Amino acid sequence: ILNVEQSPQSLHVQEGDSTNFTCSFPSSNFYALHWYRWETAKSPEALFVMTLNGDEKKKGRISATLNTKEGYSYLYIKGSQPEDSATYLCAFINNNNDMRFGAGTRLTVKP
Amino acid sequence: DAGVIQSPRHEVTEMGQEVTLRCKPISGHNSLFWYRQTMMRGLELLIYFNNNVPIDDSGMPEDRFSAKMPNASFSTLKIQPSEPRDSAVYFCASSLVYRWGNGETQYFGPGTRLLVL
Repeated sequence: ILNVEQSPQSLHVQEGDSTNFTCSFPSSNFYALHWYRWETAKSPEALFVMTLNGDEKKKGRISATLNTKEGYSYLYIKGSQPEDSATYLCAFINNNNDMRFGAGTRLTVKP
Repeated sequence: DAGVIQSPRHEVTEMGQEVTLRCKPISGHNSLFWYRQTMMRGLELLIYFNNNVPIDDSGMPEDRFSAKMPNASFSTLKIQPSEPRDSAVYFCASSLVYRWGNGETQYFGPGTRLLVL
């Protein structure tokens, strides 16, 4: 069973705050980790595809790091804005091409 | 490109009826994925195709569910007979490859919201 956990489940921050959340996954048989941003009433949109231990990716104010040896990835948002409010999903893929999504972290940014 | 197209966007049906959900992947994408999203279980991968061939259907909940991809530009997910517990949002996604990594990712459709009464 592929256990992919995201924490926290939900997060409320003030506009301008920086925040981060975690995706934990099995540390063996790793192939890739994806991060998605999912706004309410829309479909998930890909943020990052991460494949190498130590990977660090950045898109605007959002960045992600990857530690495959210990089985976690962090997503950081610098200077949160109300439009960042969404559910952030991670998806773990192993060498057997099995994919599992985490339950997501629901971020609410208050103006 | 119009992106992944799903139809219908909303479906309300009665228990026991057949439901057919449709998906048109992004042109040129070789892989297509069907997902189900519920409050209880989150986002679950049901089945995926590569070059129109089903690769892994281990996520399909039971025999009432079937999926086909008769050609590169069309797929269906059928539920027969439908039950109230099938109520969920069903997403279709497509990708250039089904073996992820090196920047490949999936592009999701808008989803079909299914309600079985």
